[in-house]
Amino acid sequence: DTEVTQTPKHLVMGMTNKKSLKCEQHMGHRAMYWYKQKAKKPPELMFVYSYEKLSINESVPSRFSPECPNSSLLNLHLHALQPEDSALYLCASSQARAGEQFFGPGTRLTVL
Amino acid sequence: GEDVEQSLFLSVREGDSSVINCTYTDSSSTYLYWYKQEPGAGLQLLTYIFSNMDMKQDQRLTVLLNKKDKHLSLRIADTQTGDSAIYFCAESMDAGKSTFGDGTTLTVKP
Repeated sequence: DTEVTQTPKHLVMGMTNKKSLKCEQHMGHRAMYWYKQKAKKPPELMFVYSYEKLSINESVPSRFSPECPNSSLLNLHLHALQPEDSALYLCASSQARAGEQFFGPGTRLTVL
Repeated sequence: GEDVEQSLFLSVREGDSSVINCTYTDSSSTYLYWYKQEPGAGLQLLTYIFSNMDMKQDQRLTVLLNKKDKHLSLRIADTQTGDSAIYFCAESMDAGKSTFGDGTTLTVKP
C-alpha cells in the first residue's frame, strides 16, 4: 500500500459545528503532516507529527486541533470554524521528518 | 527566511519540451522537490534531488540543479495534454518543513 487516504472527500459545515478530518497511511512512515491550501496557492504547513508526537505547530488557531492516535492515523478536529477556513486540507506522510512527502487527495472543506 | 520563486504560467504545444524554472534563497536546502497538482487533487511527488547532485533523470523528466545560482529546473520531454497541471517547486532544509513556490500553471495545447 503506497498511498495516503483522506476522508471525507468533501465537507460542508456551519460555524457552530464540530467535525473531524481523517488521514491514514500504511507505508510505515513515522512523520505525518497537515497542510491548508487555498485555491491557486501553495500548501501552507499547519502541523507536523513525528513518532506520534506533535513536533511543529505553525501558530495555527486553536479551533484546529490535531491528534495522532497511532503511527498510521492522523486526525484534525474542527470546531467553531470561520468562513475563511474554507480550503483544501491536505495530509502527507514521510519516512521520517526528513525526505520526500507523499500527499493524500485532500478534503475540500466549506464553512458556511 | 526561506523564499522559493517560480514563474506563474507556461504554455507549450503538445510534443514540445517544457522547462519550468525555480529559484530559492536558502543555501542550506538539503532536498529540492517537484510536485504536480491536477485540478481538485492533492499533490503528486514527481521527483526530487539532493543538494549534492547536479542532475537527475527519470523517464521524461530531467531535473537540473545549479547550487551556485540556487536555480532548479524541471524539463518535461515530449509534453502531453495530460501534463497540464500546476507544478510546485519546494525546498527543505529542516526535516519536516518544506517551503513551496507559488506554482507554475502548465498549459499544453494540442
